[in-house]
Amino acid sequence: SAVISQKPSRDICQRGTSLTIQCQVDSQVTMMFWYRQQPGQSLTLIATANQGSEATYESGFVIDKFPISRPNLTFSTLTVSNMSPEDSSIYLCSAHGLAGDTQYFGPGTRLTVL
Amino acid sequence: AQSVTQPDIHITVSEGASLELRCNYSYGATPYLFWYVQSPGQGLQLLLKYFSGDTLVQGIKGFEAEFKRSQSSFNLRKPSVHWSDAAEYFCAVGAANMLTFGGGTRLMVKP
Repeated sequence: SAVISQKPSRDICQRGTSLTIQCQVDSQVTMMFWYRQQPGQSLTLIATANQGSEATYESGFVIDKFPISRPNLTFSTLTVSNMSPEDSSIYLCSAHGLAGDTQYFGPGTRLTVL
Repeated sequence: AQSVTQPDIHITVSEGASLELRCNYSYGATPYLFWYVQSPGQGLQLLLKYFSGDTLVQGIKGFEAEFKRSQSSFNLRKPSVHWSDAAEYFCAVGAANMLTFGGGTRLMVKP
């Protein structure tokens, strides 16, 4: 399995600002993903982070709001831009394990927007 | 389109009692099925997965799940629940690059 860390673990931000979340995997992986978990809800895929190319966004999510970088095979960032209280959620990073058939998740970043 | 239904939003069991969490799925091909657990303030931890073969799969922490194709179900079971099992449980279906999650079941454990 892949071991995934995220920074920060939590943050409280002001409306209109941006926050960048970092995701680090302990081994090279082919695919990395970003999810949003709104309070009391299940997980919703935001985008697939592609190494060397633009991220692939799911319906309802746009690059201007959630820019993603993936500079190498072990690291990705998600930025939540121009935040509003509706962006208060847990943001989770995941990645394939070595066999490429299972997603493993980071501990999440708990974001509160005031 | 693939979908996952977890009919029980909340379940409360007594410590030491048996547990079954229900999961029903809709998927166009042979599904990959997963159960994850999320403890309070934590990320998701993989409990077990089913790809093919034996329809009864064993996972970590004493959990098991049974794939029943005829019922489109993948229910999670544990014979004796511990207080530390209190958490949110998510069933998921799909390939590794496209997972669809159920709404989750919150398990509470009474002493």
